[in-house]
Amino acid sequence: QSALTQPASVSGSPGQSITISCTGTSSDVGNYNLVSWYQQHPGKAPKLMISEGSKRPSGVSNRFSGSKSGNTASLTISGLQAEDEADYYCCSYAGSTNFVVFGGGTKLTVL
Amino acid sequence: QVQLQESGPGLVKPSETLSLTCTVSGGSISSYYWSWIRQPPGKGLEWIGYVYYSGNTNYNPSLKSRLTVSIDTSKNQLSLKLSSVTAADTAVYYCARELFPYTSSWSAGLWGQGTLVTVSS
Repeated sequence: QSALTQPASVSGSPGQSITISCTGTSSDVGNYNLVSWYQQHPGKAPKLMISEGSKRPSGVSNRFSGSKSGNTASLTISGLQAEDEADYYCCSYAGSTNFVVFGGGTKLTVL
Repeated sequence: QVQLQESGPGLVKPSETLSLTCTVSGGSISSYYWSWIRQPPGKGLEWIGYVYYSGNTNYNPSLKSRLTVSIDTSKNQLSLKLSSVTAADTAVYYCARELFPYTSSWSAGLWGQGTLVTVSS
């Protein structure tokens, strides 16, 4: 059982927007602005898409955006493209005692 | 262009110590925070350890009693040692780095390709 809760799967058609939620607690997501999101294609290493809640690294499409409200972080992908089909993981710093926690991952299917 | 390459035995016997090395090429290991992250086959990600180049370490509490992560700046290498392994430690092990020097955002912006370690007799 993962510390952060993500939907197991989401889907959308090309051009649409989807949002993946990541629910934690006041000890992790709600207490730190240190949520990151990773995209992972089969057989590949994860790729950082969002850090510190909403910062997009250089080279990551501006179709990807991150936000947070209370204990829930969200990743929104607009203008869905076939290449966005992948697994997505959220992650949050959880303090010196609990370290870092991941969500269980969400499989995005582009219909 | 900085590249990370994990290396080590692909098969480790139960109760023995898993040892991996991450070699950094194209750049210096200094000034950055480094991580080990693992992924059991078909499962999600688990952050193992987070270490500054100066040697300050942070470990996953569930692994802390078995784990040692260290940095050798002279060799530009990061290492991982996990003792008393069981089948539950079978995973792809990744080394990773923060995107920016001197910055701790608790994220991994640069990744190695990963190496599969199987624990089996």
